[in-house]
This record gives sequence, C-alpha cells and structure tokens, in this order.
Amino acid sequence: DVKVTQSSRYLVKRTGEKVFLECVQDMDHENMFWYRQDPGLGLRLIYFSYDVKMKEKGDIPEGYSVSREKKERFSLILESASTNQTSMYLCASSPEESTYRGLPTDTQYFGPGTRLTVL
Amino acid sequence: KNQVEQSPQSLIILEGKNCTLQCNYTVSPFSNLRWYKQDTGRGPVSLTIMTFSENTKSNGRYTATLDADTKQSSLHITASQLSDSASYICVVSGVYDYKLSFGAGTTVTVRA
Repeated sequence: DVKVTQSSRYLVKRTGEKVFLECVQDMDHENMFWYRQDPGLGLRLIYFSYDVKMKEKGDIPEGYSVSREKKERFSLILESASTNQTSMYLCASSPEESTYRGLPTDTQYFGPGTRLTVL
Repeated sequence: KNQVEQSPQSLIILEGKNCTLQCNYTVSPFSNLRWYKQDTGRGPVSLTIMTFSENTKSNGRYTATLDADTKQSSLHITASQLSDSASYICVVSGVYDYKLSFGAGTTVTVRA
C-alpha cells in the first residue's frame, strides 16, 4: 500500500510566521504535489516536483515555495503566512509511469491533509 | 472558470437507498476521468477511472458512467451504507495538459 504522510494534521500559526509543511511518501514515487483545498473550489495545485531538486509552479504558487532535497520528501513553505492561506493542504505522490513528458496525468495518492489556520 | 462542475453540492439519503452524483466537464481533449472518495479528515482515494472508450466502470456498490460526447459522468451508489458518508470528487485529465482538473465535490451524508 502506498503511504503518504504529512507532518501535522492541524496547525495554527500567526500572520507573518514562516510555516513548513512536510510530506513523506514511502513508495519511491518520482512525482510529488502540493494542493490546497477550499470549500466550493476543489483542489488547486500549488507546486509539483517530478524529481529531486526539481520543482514546477502549479496554478496558485504565489506566497509559497517548495523544497525537494530527497526523493521521498516534499516540503511546502509559507514564507510569511497570511490569513488567506488558511486552508486544507494536501500532499500527493504518483509514480513516473503515470506521467506524460514528466507531468502527472494519472492516479495520485494523497496524504491525510494538514488543516492550517492563520490568525 | 472551473472545467469540472459537480452536482448536487450536497445530499442526504437514508441507509439502504440509492443515489446518483453528476459531473460535467469541459476539459478537451479528454484523457481520463476519475471519481475519488474523501472521508472527513482524510485525503482522497481513487474509486474508479474511465478512459475515452469506456462508458461504465464498477467498484463494488459504486458504478461510474461516462458519456464522452456530452462530457458528462455520473457516480451511482447502490444500497448506501453509513460508511458511504463522504465527499465524492470528479477529476478529469486532459491529453496534453499536466494539470488535473478537480470538481468541488459532492458531500453525501447517509443517515440510519
């Protein structure tokens, strides 16, 4: 079974704080993703990575950065948290063979999510 | 504008009853369509996947249908159980687009 874990289930931070969200997968997947999920909007892609030290912007990268120093770990960083970043954050991974030109097209395996509240 | 629209936004059904969820999409050219189930406090889990040439796929009491001509899909839940209470998300892949397009989801509540 694929296992994707996220460092925290619930997190409360203050405006302006630097926030780190960690994601680890144990299936040697090449691709990893960060999404945020808001009511009525569905999942929106923030960043993804198709290899170690590689990263690509998704639909809503503003205010976020990512780091992938090891294959199994993909970190999402909020440099200066703001209240509009209060959301559910979901990490996902997928194997390389499910991609087209290195980009995801198929099944992604999701972590349990981190509910972040910025006060 | 979201390329995947789901309806209804939420519904409540009695245990043992059937229900049908709808998904309309505009993603083109189309590659495949998935239905995910997301339990409260958990990440989404894939239920079914259908490609352009498939028009129905079952997974236990879940049956998904696809009409690629009208760009519509439905997810039918038969003989609902309390454990079916969840959000159901329709996800569409384009052929040449890296982005997965997610619907906002339908929240299903099954009551005893």
